Amino acid sequence: DAKTTQPTSMDCAEGRAANLPCNHSTISGNEYVYWYRQIHSQGPQYIIHGLKNNETNEMASLIITEDRKSSTLILPHATLRDTAVYYCIVRVYNNNDMRFGAGTRLTVKP
Amino acid sequence: GAVVSQHPSRVICKSGTSVKIECRSLDFQATTMFWYRQFPKQSLMLMATSNEGSKATYEQGVEKDKFLINHASLTLSTLTVTSAHPEDSSFYICSARDPRAGGAYNEQFFGPGTRLTVL
Repeated sequence: DAKTTQPTSMDCAEGRAANLPCNHSTISGNEYVYWYRQIHSQGPQYIIHGLKNNETNEMASLIITEDRKSSTLILPHATLRDTAVYYCIVRVYNNNDMRFGAGTRLTVKP
Repeated sequence: GAVVSQHPSRVICKSGTSVKIECRSLDFQATTMFWYRQFPKQSLMLMATSNEGSKATYEQGVEKDKFLINHASLTLSTLTVTSAHPEDSSFYICSARDPRAGGAYNEQFFGPGTRLTVL
């Protein structure tokens, strides 16, 4: 699976959009971009995933660049409860395992 | 999405005892489950992949005789930490793959985790 690079930490003001970047320059054509988050002392929570088109669901939007070498997770109106570590993972769909990098620690401030 | 549960949510045990952690897929049958370990302020590390009815596949550096994994049914996998020591204290998380999912649907779901403290 391709390696990802994320900033170590980010801050965001409550009510503002949180934009979390992820670089995956070695991504292969059959690899998806997944985003999970982990709130303190809980298991990871699935947010969204995509192959090449932009995706949106009730939690977030995923913007993937045309060359697929980077992506951005957007939380449109961040709340204090969105404070968590966000993991960007690139993997072949339905590949056996999911491996986590260091992620981005997002702190939403009032 | 599908639901994965873990039991217990936290356990405290004495050094030298064995501890069993259960992982259940509540509304789907999981042919494959995964076990992760997470130390404080670190990311999740994959320990092993568990396939129903067969032996688990362990990651390099994970002692298979110390971390016994059993996946006896399509909805249950267990992790037994044998002869636990303080350095085994960690947050253990399982995940399960829903084989019904396809393409646009996420197929891997995580449990809430089990906090193990070995005194």
